[in-house]
Formats: sequence, structure tokens, C-alpha cells
Amino acid sequence: KAGVTQTPRYLIKTRGQQVTLSCSPISGHRSVSWYQQTPGQGLQFLFEYFSETQRNKGNFPGRFSGRQFSNSRSEMNVSTLELGDSALYLCASSLDINNEQFFGPGTRLTVL
Amino acid sequence: QKEVEQNSGPLSVPEGAIASLNCTYSDRGSQSFFWYRQYSGKSPELIMSIYSNGDKEDGRFTAQLNKASQYVSLLIRDSQPSDSATYLCAVNGVDPSNTGKLIFGQGTTLQVKP
Repeated sequence: KAGVTQTPRYLIKTRGQQVTLSCSPISGHRSVSWYQQTPGQGLQFLFEYFSETQRNKGNFPGRFSGRQFSNSRSEMNVSTLELGDSALYLCASSLDINNEQFFGPGTRLTVL
Repeated sequence: QKEVEQNSGPLSVPEGAIASLNCTYSDRGSQSFFWYRQYSGKSPELIMSIYSNGDKEDGRFTAQLNKASQYVSLLIRDSQPSDSATYLCAVNGVDPSNTGKLIFGQGTTLQVKP
């Protein structure tokens, strides 16, 4: 079974731009969660989607948004990028809510 | 108080020894506990999950959970240099509004020396 895939793997943007990251979960998994990982803050939860509905959101500004499609694929968007948004963005999928989560390879975003 | 706490290390053990990694959590109602391994520059990889008190063994790995004391640990037997990585403890949010949210510790760096 194919694992979680994320595209693109690397991104370089400048302040003020926006970015869209994509995540394809493991086949059959309906829950997709997004995390931000930085050296200083560690892994922090962004949001979780289940059956196209955002069920939970972390403590991030409204510039961070996401959605999930009917095939469970998910996208997250960050608008008006700031230097502090430079991080590894990780997507994780699970069969259902509160099951084991499996991570994709991540998208490394650098904001200049 | 942080919700999930781990000693950042580094924890250094000789090859073949037992590595013991510990994690404490603050939310007494937590139900699901996970250990992830993360190599430098890679994403976290799930290695163990545990849901009830006691021990759970999988190969060289044993997870231990004590809900009364609010700690979970990971033992790695016969440690190998390839086990050198950061080990992340994660706990599921308890509040129904926290579905799908894993709360992570800062991770413990393990170094296995040949």
C-alpha cells in the first residue's frame, strides 16, 4: 500500500506571497491532519479534516487554512507568508479519528 | 507545564545496550499513546502505539504505559547505531474537540555508539 504523499517536497517563497501544499493520504484513510515542525517549537498541530470537514484547528493565525476533497486528498494554504512560517509541514493520515497517524515526507518551506 | 514532556538528551548508549526513553503527560484522561522515530531531515515514523496499562512488545521495542503515574516509556533492546535518531512521544487529545490532534513532546535524541 502506498504511503502518504506530499507535494511539493521543497518550496522557496518570499514574504507576502502565498503557498499551497498538497497531501494524498493512504488509500482508505479518511482523516488527514497537518502539523508544522520547527526547531524551536517542535511539532505543532495545525488542523484536522475528516470527510471533507475541518473538525479541529490548532492555535495558528487565520492565514493558515486548509480543505479536504471527496477523495480525502487535502490541501493547506498559507497566505501573506512571514519569515517565521519557514518550517517543515507534515501531513498525517489515519483510518479514522484517533487512530494511528502515518506521516508523509513533508514539505520544507523556506520564506526569504 | 508542558502537556507532553521528554528529556531532550542526548541519551548516549553503547551498541548492544538497552536504551530507555521516558515521557510524561499532563492530561489524565489521555487514551492513546504513540512513539515516533525521526531521523535527521526525515519525517516521523510510527514505531509503537499503546492504549492500555502495561507492556507492549514489538521486536526489539517495548512500550510501557502507566496511566496512574501518567508516564509512557520506550525500551530499545540490543541498540544499534541505526537506532540513532530523535524519538518523539505523542498523545491523543482527550477533549472531543481535539479529535485527530496529536500532542508531541520535544523529542529525545538517542545516540548509539559502536
